[in-house]
Amino acid sequence: GAVVSQHPSWVICKSGTSVKIECRSLDFQATTMFWYRQFPKQSLMLMATSNEGSKATYEQGVEKDKFLINHASLTLSTLTVTSAHPEDSSFYICSVGAEFSTDTQYFGPGTRLTVL
Amino acid sequence: KQEVTQIPAALSVPEGENLVLNCSFTDSAIYNLQWFRQDPGKGLTSLLLIQSSQREQTSGRLNASLDKSSGRSTLYIAASQPGDSATYLCAVRLSGYSTLTFGKGTMLLVSP
Repeated sequence: GAVVSQHPSWVICKSGTSVKIECRSLDFQATTMFWYRQFPKQSLMLMATSNEGSKATYEQGVEKDKFLINHASLTLSTLTVTSAHPEDSSFYICSVGAEFSTDTQYFGPGTRLTVL
Repeated sequence: KQEVTQIPAALSVPEGENLVLNCSFTDSAIYNLQWFRQDPGKGLTSLLLIQSSQREQTSGRLNASLDKSSGRSTLYIAASQPGDSATYLCAVRLSGYSTLTFGKGTMLLVSP
């Protein structure tokens, strides 16, 4: 399967600052990447679908101006949490849709964000 | 709106037991269903993928079944081991390249 990395694996920041999370597809070119958020003991909730070279598609209730997504290349998508607040503290996971199969998604290891 | 429910929320068994995890979904018109494993603080590892036309899939000690008409899937783990301890997530997809809808997962603890 595909290998997906995320950086950083964890980050602690002060309220009001912005944090950038990177998602990389290491061994194939991904035209589509997905960003999820997971609160403790909750399911993964899709935040947005990141499309290479075009604007991301956000799920209902997700503020696009707060969660900025950039998918400038076929191997990298970034999620920037702007003006982070404690309620943004969560586990953020990206996944990629395999180019050779429409059925499979491969997930990154996740990034733990804690906003103080 | 598709909703996915997993029962039980947590399960603790001694090593060697066979066990069943349950997943139900409200909209039976799914494209496929996938079982994942998530270790604490980690990402997801795909275990089994069942297409809507299939009844079951097997991989080693794992067997997943799908009853689309009743909106149910089960994950059977044979001869459980401490290394199986993790959270198991069920997710359904409504169409070919659409997004996944996840359940909250079942947290499994297998004690030696």
